[in-house]
Amino acid sequence: QKEVEQDPGPLSVPEGAIVSLNCTYSNSAFQYFMWYRQYSRKGPELLMYTYSSGNKEDGRFTAQVDKSSKYISLFIRDSQPSDSATYLCAMSAASGGYQKVTFGTGTKLQVIP
Amino acid sequence: NAGVTQTPKFQVLKTGQSMTLQCAQDMNHEYMSWYRQDPGMGLRLIHYSVGAGITDQGEVPNGYNVSRSTTEDFPLRLLSAAPSQTSVYFCASSLNYLDRAYGELFFGEGSRLTVL
Repeated sequence: QKEVEQDPGPLSVPEGAIVSLNCTYSNSAFQYFMWYRQYSRKGPELLMYTYSSGNKEDGRFTAQVDKSSKYISLFIRDSQPSDSATYLCAMSAASGGYQKVTFGTGTKLQVIP
Repeated sequence: NAGVTQTPKFQVLKTGQSMTLQCAQDMNHEYMSWYRQDPGMGLRLIHYSVGAGITDQGEVPNGYNVSRSTTEDFPLRLLSAAPSQTSVYFCASSLNYLDRAYGELFFGEGSRLTVL
């Protein structure tokens, strides 16, 4: 069983829809929870990160962490065609003095105009 | 500000050939790493370095070598290429990667390698 599970999609939604992307994890030691966005043929870029359970908002994006259920989500409101990308969840835990990051496999999102 | 620069962007090798993927960053980041990205497998850590002269193995190190002689550069060497090493390789760096703080990873644009 992988430490981080993420539905690969693809997910196709109409413009303006609310998108929900999710990951589950098994390692209780994870401390930081991140979402990276990766456009086609580009490297991933950090979208948001959170440290504890709860919600964090940044514009149209909301990251949610539920440590008791080992479940994290990313919500995108009023989705735009420019949001079409692969979204990678990532989590990190202290290991040997540094943060070890584990990535999900990514969910490919397509927002249709 | 160039960020993380990877070369080459594309490469085709024959089985048994060796090559080096180059990675350079101009952000004075202590931490540098190499990942490979394969369909259905996500990003997997190959090797990482927490400073000049210090390297360590990640999740999938076999068949790869690294060295870190300067803060800026972190090349990845394929010793004897195999078809299983066909992948997209990403170099990533971070300023602060201590276990009590979070360090954002900055990725290069990737190097697409095909081994025939």
